[in-house]
Amino acid sequence: EAGVAQSPRYKIIEKRQSVAFWCNPISGHATLYWYQQILGQGPKLLIQFQNNGVVDDSQLPKDRFSAERLKGVDSTLKIQPAKLEDSAVYLCASSLARTGGTGTEAFFGQGTRLTVV
Amino acid sequence: KQEVTQIPAALSVPEGENLVLNCSFTDSAIYNLQWFRQDPGKGLTSLLLIQSSQREQTSGRLNASLDKSSGRSTLYIAASQPGDSATYLCAVPNTGGFKTIFGAGTRLFVKA
Repeated sequence: EAGVAQSPRYKIIEKRQSVAFWCNPISGHATLYWYQQILGQGPKLLIQFQNNGVVDDSQLPKDRFSAERLKGVDSTLKIQPAKLEDSAVYLCASSLARTGGTGTEAFFGQGTRLTVV
Repeated sequence: KQEVTQIPAALSVPEGENLVLNCSFTDSAIYNLQWFRQDPGKGLTSLLLIQSSQREQTSGRLNASLDKSSGRSTLYIAASQPGDSATYLCAVPNTGGFKTIFGAGTRLFVKA
């Protein structure tokens, strides 16, 4: 079974530039998550999709971050304009159903390491 | 509000030692708890998922226990090896149940 695919693996941009990350979840997984992991911290949920609908985006800085999941499969996360504090690893994960309530495991991609200079 | 704490933040042990990593959470009304491993520059690999009805789960040299009433979980690693060096993260659902909250992790270094 193929895992969660993310691209690019690394990205370096200047502040105020734009960047986009792509995620392809495990086939059949209805739930997709984007996490931000700052160095030395645990991952923080940015947005959670159930199929192509947003379930939770309470911690997404909506003035600069946006995400979409067209057709309930692949997803993109965009930052525009980037700030220095956006430097982090951006992790995509998927699960068959929502984690927590259904006890479903989440599977993670390798992440995209973003450096904003 | 669910908060997750992991102790210690970092740990260095000689090869062959048995060790225990600790995870505590503030809201004990959880459905499950998951332990992950993260290698430098990599994503997260799921190690063990414990349902709320279970008290422990085992996979090879790993054993995770869950005590919901006290808001604690431990990950026991037997006969540690240099290849076990990584960051170990625990995660639980938030209050309400449908968002996963992570601890900051324990960075483990096993010396050969």
